[in-house]
Amino acid sequence: QQQVKQSPQSLIVQKGGISIINCAYENTAFDYFPWYQQFPGKGPALLIAIRPDVSEKKEGRFTISFNKSAKQFSLHIMDSQPGDSATYFCAASTQAGNNRKLIWGLGTSLAVNP
Amino acid sequence: DTAVSQTPKYLVTQMGNDKSIKCEQNLGHDTMYWYKQDSKKFLKIMFSYNNKELIINETVPNRFSPKSPDKAHLNLHINSLELGDSAVYFCASSFESRLVAYEQYFGPGTRLTVT
Repeated sequence: QQQVKQSPQSLIVQKGGISIINCAYENTAFDYFPWYQQFPGKGPALLIAIRPDVSEKKEGRFTISFNKSAKQFSLHIMDSQPGDSATYFCAASTQAGNNRKLIWGLGTSLAVNP
Repeated sequence: DTAVSQTPKYLVTQMGNDKSIKCEQNLGHDTMYWYKQDSKKFLKIMFSYNNKELIINETVPNRFSPKSPDKAHLNLHINSLELGDSAVYFCASSFESRLVAYEQYFGPGTRLTVT
């Protein structure tokens, strides 16, 4: 059972275009939604994250849009560059007993054509 | 000054062998993780240790045994390797708090190939 559903699985965008990756969740106990970026041959690294008390967070060309009522959040990459070509993972975190649990989406492979 | 390091980076071995992967973090984090990433890039959490105590143990064959000698180290030992164990294994670390979610820092990965 995939608790965080990510789409599309792969995405091709032209340089300068907007890349949009969507994620949906069911568990309303999730309280932290990070996006991780993974380049080939490297480990994932945190790109940007949002908490459900805000609807949007922007860092440079990267923006998270969060819709609490729809239980959806998305990553927008403005002015996409070839250097943005990577795999992007959305995730959601919630308390689990005395600790926390991070649930990952299946990933989106983004290719930005020059 | 690598934050999370893993050795070896590549591991090629035959079915039935036993192998270990080592992980070290110098970030002062109290929690460490092992993830498996298959050929489709899906990230699957395997284990999590907090202050040397196992806190997450997902459905993983008992051929996989993590060991944490101290907060800065988490090793993964795999017995009787199978073809399906071929994957990239990532170690990660973070602070752990029930109330606050912290960033996980990943190592460079160990590509395991079982022939």
